Amino acid sequence: NAGVMQNPRHLVRRRGQEARLRCSPMKGHSHVYWYRQLPEEGLKFMVYLQKENIIDESGMPKERFSAEFPKEGPSILRIQQVVRGDSAAYFCASSPLPGTEARAFFGQGTRLTVV
Amino acid sequence: GIQVEQSPPDLILQEGANSTLRCNFSDSVNNLQWFHQNPWGQLINLFYIPSGTKQNGRLSATTVATERYSLLYISSSQTTDSGVYFCAVSPKNTGNQFYFGTGTSLTVIP
Repeated sequence: NAGVMQNPRHLVRRRGQEARLRCSPMKGHSHVYWYRQLPEEGLKFMVYLQKENIIDESGMPKERFSAEFPKEGPSILRIQQVVRGDSAAYFCASSPLPGTEARAFFGQGTRLTVV
Repeated sequence: GIQVEQSPPDLILQEGANSTLRCNFSDSVNNLQWFHQNPWGQLINLFYIPSGTKQNGRLSATTVATERYSLLYISSSQTTDSGVYFCAVSPKNTGNQFYFGTGTSLTVIP
């Protein structure tokens, strides 16, 4: 059973470009979470999705950031018009049950660098 | 929101030594996990331990939910244990997200 797969592992974007980060949850998991880790900090919650639904986006910046988890395919975290402050590691996690009632498995992260 | 405090913030060990890392949290939780972030940034799941004790090789963990703390024990440390150890909790009744502590940075020297 493959783990949570994130791609790309590293992404470099110029200011003003768009960044698309992908996350394929573990087989059988329909709950996906995105977290952001700024340099020298812990992980901060961004958004919680189930298939085709955003359940909790209380940690998402109000502008430029969006997330989706379509019926088919991976979850996507999209950042429009990136700025230097968006440089961070973005982690995706999945679990088989709602909320945090079960163990969450984390992917290896996507490291976004904005130049 | 819930506060998660980890101690010590930094730890340097000689290879072969044992250590105990602590995680205190300020409210009741229904989920607690320990992670190791290696020097390459990868986040590795160690334990899912909302209560009780678990062991996996040289690592073990204990959570005393009623007293709101968890301990991670590392025995016979190796250089590959270096990295940052995070505790993450999810409060009861608000359970959509994990709150991460600020981590313990461990360096094991040969």
